[in-house]
Amino acid sequence: QKEVEQDPGPLSVPEGAIVSLNCTYSNSAFQYFMWYRQYSRKGPELLMYTYSSGNKEDGRFTAQVDKSSKYISLFIRDSQPSDSATYLCASNTGKLIFGQGTTLQVKP
Amino acid sequence: DAGVIQSPRHEVTEMGQEVTLRCKPISGHNSLFWYRQTMMRGLELLIYFNNNVPIDDSGMPEDRFSAKMPNASFSTLKIQPSEPRDSAVYFCASSLARDRGQKLFFGSGTQLSVL
Repeated sequence: QKEVEQDPGPLSVPEGAIVSLNCTYSNSAFQYFMWYRQYSRKGPELLMYTYSSGNKEDGRFTAQVDKSSKYISLFIRDSQPSDSATYLCASNTGKLIFGQGTTLQVKP
Repeated sequence: DAGVIQSPRHEVTEMGQEVTLRCKPISGHNSLFWYRQTMMRGLELLIYFNNNVPIDDSGMPEDRFSAKMPNASFSTLKIQPSEPRDSAVYFCASSLARDRGQKLFFGSGTQLSVL
């Protein structure tokens, strides 16, 4: 079992839709949770960063962590074609472990 | 401010040849990471350094892979001899070691094809 699990998709939604991306993790020691966004032929870039449980909002993006169920979520409101990318969740205890990544396509 | 710089961007080589990938981290960052990305396995950590010292190389697939960081501004990942199954995108990333959350900054990657 991988320490961070993520459905690779692909996920296709119309422009303006609310997108929900999810991950589960197995290591109870994880405290820091991140979402990275990766455009085609580019390196991943940090999108959202949270510590422990709770929500964090940044513009159209909301990251949510539920440590009791070991569940990580990223919500994108009013999705745009420019949001089309692969989204990777990640967490760490000393070294950063990534999920498989979910490929999102937002159609105009 | 320059980001993480990797070279070459693309590398095509034949099985058995030596391959060297290069990375220049962000100035001031003292942690450096090498990752490999494939469709099947996603993004895998190969090795990481703190203050030029290798901390965890448990992700290095086998003895054919080696990594060095001779100074704070340069690292190499070497594969010798290369095999077709090594074909992947190799990413270098850097961060501040004191950042327990490890906010990584990635380079653009090296696309390696071993024929």
